[in-house]
Amino acid sequence: DIQMTQSPSTLSASVGDRVTITCRASQSISSWLAWYQQKPGKAPKLLIYKASSLESGVPSRFSGSGSGTEFTLTISSLQPDDFATYYCQQYNSYPQVTFGPGTKVDIK
Amino acid sequence: QVQLVESGGGLVKPGGSLRLSCAASGFTFSDYYMSWIRQAPGKGLEWVSYISSSGSTIYYADSVKGRFTISRDNAKNSLYLQMNSLRAEDTAVYYCARYSSSSGETFDYWGQGTLVTVSS
Repeated sequence: DIQMTQSPSTLSASVGDRVTITCRASQSISSWLAWYQQKPGKAPKLLIYKASSLESGVPSRFSGSGSGTEFTLTISSLQPDDFATYYCQQYNSYPQVTFGPGTKVDIK
Repeated sequence: QVQLVESGGGLVKPGGSLRLSCAASGFTFSDYYMSWIRQAPGKGLEWVSYISSSGSTIYYADSVKGRFTISRDNAKNSLYLQMNSLRAEDTAVYYCARYSSSSGETFDYWGQGTLVTVSS
């Protein structure tokens, strides 16, 4: 099974900050990586697919990069609506996909 | 608009059974692969099961294999998860999710989730 890790587990930031979250896979997953945002009590929302493609309707301040085993999600200027938990998901082993443990972005 | 609405969650004793349903609307259900994904309280996301658009191909996570059964009724635009031999560690919010047709094998729409609590 492909294991996913994320760092940091929690990130404290202020509005306007540039935020970067890292996701690592236990083996190469090419670019088969997605990022989701989840707010308390809500379902996850797809932000990025294929490592760097922005889902329709997602603000351009979100961007993704990486390939192989190391990936990043960057929020260029953190907005109040962005305080949430972010999960990466590999789908190289589709349909048996796996998620990272999550990174909570909270207010500094 | 696309909607996925889960139902059927609740409190069940260890060893018991529960059947979850997911009603789909706003898209051609029979064209899409679907999955169940769960989230234990305060924890991360865990993929549970996959079913192809016709229902002919099915996969399960090892943690539920032999206990859970996924199915669908394309005439009723509905997805199901039959859960048997439930354990405390199955306690979670269960989401049904649609595989994206344009964003690769990712999940572009999710339901609001239904809570399953396994406790004596």
